[in-house]
Amino acid sequence: FVMTQTPLSSPVTLGQPASMSCRSSQSLLHSDGNTYLSWLHQRPGQPPRLLIYKISNRFSGVPDRFSGSGAGTDFTLNISRVEAEDVGVYYCTQATQFPQTFGQGTRLEIK
Amino acid sequence: QVHLQGSGPGLVMPSGTLSLTCTVSGVSVSSDKWWSWVRQPPGKGLEWIGEIYHSGRTNLNPSLKSRLTLTLDQSTNQFSLRLTSVTAADTAVYYCANFDFWSDVVFDFWAQGTLVTVSS
Repeated sequence: FVMTQTPLSSPVTLGQPASMSCRSSQSLLHSDGNTYLSWLHQRPGQPPRLLIYKISNRFSGVPDRFSGSGAGTDFTLNISRVEAEDVGVYYCTQATQFPQTFGQGTRLEIK
Repeated sequence: QVHLQGSGPGLVMPSGTLSLTCTVSGVSVSSDKWWSWVRQPPGKGLEWIGEIYHSGRTNLNPSLKSRLTLTLDQSTNQFSLRLTSVTAADTAVYYCANFDFWSDVVFDFWAQGTLVTVSS
């Protein structure tokens, strides 16, 4: 399953919204009815961290300005109001089909 | 709280073997969990390498399977990665991790990462 993220880079003004897309080469709907699509955030020099799991569920401690949506092959991560700590690279990842794969990442930068 | 610390040589010769160890604290590697490896070439994205269960069962990325061995040592509470016949393409930051994004109980623990350079 190839995961394609757009845009590759997203310059955003603090306090403004940001949105990024993840598209899978095949549907991520598993035969068990779940869609195993998650979003990770990686700050420079740090390991990635889970933000969103199963399309739209925020992980523990993730601010509610982050939201995920989508179905099938098209998924979106939205940030309602970007803060300075949100800079870094955002990756989508799927585990519907073995092996787990990642998108190439969207880099969020502050204008 | 699970804490992971990766260790191993930072430089490996081409055609040699890359060996890394992840030391786990806060939980036993013999508990009901999968222990994972993910790598990231400099300036590039993430690649899932594989995972090992407390029983020793493994799931390996098919792209690496022929060169890859994952093991687990309950006596030292560590799990390890061994990648043979390395080339420059294997140069990356290697992360050991314990995560589950897919079940009802979701968790996410990562080591800081170990940079391994393949070069003569």
